[in-house]
Amino acid sequence: NAGVTQTPKFQVLKTGQSMTLQCAQDMNHEYMSWYRQDPGMGLRLIHYSVGAGITDQGEVPNGYNVSRSTTEDFPLRLLSAAPSQTSVYFCASSYSGIAGGLRPYEQYFGPGTRLTVT
Amino acid sequence: EDQVTQSPEALRLQEGESSSLNCSYTVSGLRGLFWYRQDPGKGPEFLFTLYSAGEEKEKERLKATLTKKESFLHITAPKPEDSATYLCAVQEHSGGSNYKLTFGKGTLLTVNP
Repeated sequence: NAGVTQTPKFQVLKTGQSMTLQCAQDMNHEYMSWYRQDPGMGLRLIHYSVGAGITDQGEVPNGYNVSRSTTEDFPLRLLSAAPSQTSVYFCASSYSGIAGGLRPYEQYFGPGTRLTVT
Repeated sequence: EDQVTQSPEALRLQEGESSSLNCSYTVSGLRGLFWYRQDPGKGPEFLFTLYSAGEEKEKERLKATLTKKESFLHITAPKPEDSATYLCAVQEHSGGSNYKLTFGKGTLLTVNP
């Protein structure tokens, strides 16, 4: 099992450019999510998906788009990069459960993409 | 007000010097509390999940405990390889399908040989 993989590892963009951060998992997890990590702040949820074709916004969704066409892949698109989007981005996945019912499953994180927007 | 607060922000220990990290939370309905370890330049690595007050989990030199308001990560006789940032996260009962984790800012642990 490769677990959760992310590409690229590093990226530098100019303001206004667009790009896609890739995330894939081979654990057949229904739930996938994107977080960003900034110095002095905890990890913050950007978008999440509970299955193919289903996505929703997290805490800080502005400037980002997602789609989920397969169980394995969950790409994150930056539409028009801004310096405020300079951050480390982590993708995570887990099994899902009936909300409010089954105990939550642990989420597994990828190695991250370090993005700099100049 | 932060829902998850970790203390101290940084902790420096000598090898073999046991201590505890704290994670206090203010969510109304806790589904689970998670501890992760994060090494520099890497993604968070899952350590433990705790579900209800009174629960304890152990792994090697680490032991996590949970009360109704906080969790402790006890480190017994730490070694330099235990040096990392330890993250605490909570998941609330939200009534929906968002399995969002709310993270604290972490405790940076340094263990000197």
